[in-house]
Amino acid sequence: DAGVTQSPTHLIKTRGQQVTLRCSPKSGHDTVSWYQQALGQGPQFIFQYYEEEERQRGNFPDRFSGHQFPNYSSELNVNALLLGDSALYLCASSSGGSPLHFGNGTRLTVT
Amino acid sequence: GDSVTQMEGPVTLSEEAFLTINCTYTATGYPSLFWYVQYPGEGLQLLLKATKADDKGSNKGFEATYRKETTSFHLEKGSVQVSDSAVYFCALKSRGGATNKLIFGTGTLLAVQP
Repeated sequence: DAGVTQSPTHLIKTRGQQVTLRCSPKSGHDTVSWYQQALGQGPQFIFQYYEEEERQRGNFPDRFSGHQFPNYSSELNVNALLLGDSALYLCASSSGGSPLHFGNGTRLTVT
Repeated sequence: GDSVTQMEGPVTLSEEAFLTINCTYTATGYPSLFWYVQYPGEGLQLLLKATKADDKGSNKGFEATYRKETTSFHLEKGSVQVSDSAVYFCALKSRGGATNKLIFGTGTLLAVQP
């Protein structure tokens, strides 16, 4: 039973570019959440998707957007990258009120 | 708003020592509380949870008790092993929210020496 899978594992981008990160939820899960974890910090909630709709959003600018597909997989898009966007981006899936299951993350470096 | 405060690390212990990592929270109502562990190069894994006051979560020798009166959820283990070396995160989920959004503390690095 595959858990949450994220791709790519590492990514290097230049300031001003755009990036797309991908997530496949654990089998049986229909809800996907995205978190940003800066170095030495705890994860910060970006947003959550359920039934292909953004259900809740954290305190992140509109440069951060997402999408959920009918198969429950999800993408996180970040436009106009800033150096401060360098972080580990974690995807988590769940179903109903179950605890979150996290993927191993995508390490984004913006130069 | 809701928040979680953890003791700063790193915490360095010898194998078989007793572990305590302090966690306190601020929340409206009675949240659910969690401990997650992050091993190097990996995502977060749920270690244990408690959903109401006086509940004790336990897993792999780790324990934490939901203390409403002190708004705390301290993580303890009686005898740590080298393999317990990781970053530990305390987190809460607000009661009654539309989602299962988690609010995390900043994490505590535990280093266990043989």
